[in-house]
Amino acid sequence: AQSVTQLGSHVSVSEGALVLLRCNYSSSVPPYLFWYVQYPNQGLQLLLKYTSAATLVKGINGFEAEFKKSETSFHLTKPSAHMSDAAEYFCAVSTNTGNQFYFGTGTSLTVIP
Amino acid sequence: DTAVSQTPKYLVTQMGNDKSIKCEQNLGHDTMYWYKQDSKKFLKIMFSYNNKELIINETVPNRFSPKSPDKAHLNLHINSLELGDSAVYFCASSPQGRGGGETQYFGPGTRLLVL
Repeated sequence: AQSVTQLGSHVSVSEGALVLLRCNYSSSVPPYLFWYVQYPNQGLQLLLKYTSAATLVKGINGFEAEFKKSETSFHLTKPSAHMSDAAEYFCAVSTNTGNQFYFGTGTSLTVIP
Repeated sequence: DTAVSQTPKYLVTQMGNDKSIKCEQNLGHDTMYWYKQDSKKFLKIMFSYNNKELIINETVPNRFSPKSPDKAHLNLHINSLELGDSAVYFCASSPQGRGGGETQYFGPGTRLLVL
């Protein structure tokens, strides 16, 4: 079975500070991992994904994530937060037995001016 | 052009009514999905269709019935609406829907409120 845990349902950072959103996964087979962003009253937009190539994945808007098998983690980072980064962030896992996504419970990011 | 579109965007209705939500994708994808996002923002898969064939059918009340007239459309019909059906419903699509690792492309969501 596959699952995702996102630690911290709410994260606040100051503008210009490091953003770190945590995601740990559980999977009995090699996982594919995704980060999506949801702005208020909008759908989900892909930030980046890991599909067993490079373990450090770069995405849009300056975000990146590192796949660490030993820690079963796929944390999302951005060196310098911008006001426009305020949104809900979702981590998801799927496997090669199908394209069903299992989402985490989301992390709401607030950026303080 | 919108890749995945949903209508209506907002839906307010009374308990007991029957309603439909429509979804269309113009990406040429083979697989489409319906997700429910509850008030705590938790996203859960409801159904998935690949080339008009049902491939994922999670534990969802029988009052929910998906229909896929062609691979570009996946509609969701809900009978006898209940208060607990209030949520945001997202449609998504992916190129093939098999083998894993595919990006899913999401629509803007339909906000359903049952009174």
